[in-house]
Amino acid sequence: AQKVTQAQTEISVVEKEDVTLDCVYETRDTTYYLFWYKQPPSGELVFLIRRNSFDEQNEISGRYSWNFQKSTSSFNFTITASQVVDSAVYFCALSEAGTGNQFYFGTGTSLTVIP
Amino acid sequence: EPEVTQTPSHQVTQMGQEVILRCVPISNHLYFYWYRQILGQKVEFLVSFYNNEISEKSEIFDDQFSVERPDGSNFTLKIRSTKLEDSAMYFCASREGQNEKLFFGSGTQLSVL
Repeated sequence: AQKVTQAQTEISVVEKEDVTLDCVYETRDTTYYLFWYKQPPSGELVFLIRRNSFDEQNEISGRYSWNFQKSTSSFNFTITASQVVDSAVYFCALSEAGTGNQFYFGTGTSLTVIP
Repeated sequence: EPEVTQTPSHQVTQMGQEVILRCVPISNHLYFYWYRQILGQKVEFLVSFYNNEISEKSEIFDDQFSVERPDGSNFTLKIRSTKLEDSAMYFCASREGQNEKLFFGSGTQLSVL
């Protein structure tokens, strides 16, 4: 079973639109960590955010915001006023405290921002 | 910010040949990983390494694969007899502690001909 599900494989938006990338996770651990990474066309994996399971406060960083809902096991990522430079593949990931070595990635969502 | 360094950035090899992909993790990190990404696909876990031994490996990481930390700084992935389907981007990653964020290297693009 998939530990991390990103149901949206590809999304296209027009510049300045808002876009939300969905992430649903599955774990039996009470302590776990969620992450988002960005992979731009250049290929590197860029860390965006880390959130632990005890902190359900939403976080905002500039145009980026994250909505963590334990009740629905979701950790969604919203980009406000999207820009062409936001075009990338975005990966959600899970790390469980009990088996802290492995890092489970979702399949990624490819975002294209059209100028 | 400290970086994970991978060499080479590109490697071309003939099917059946051995390749060694090299990584220098961040110096105070304790957990090391190899992932691969076939073009346009997801990032797949290969192996994790802690305390000088493999802590977890995936089904992909069969007998053709091995990892080593030969000294205090390098972390290598060896593929003994490469196959066409081994062509992928291979990412090394490290982290300081369990559940900390992973720092990724910029990857080695392996092409098996």
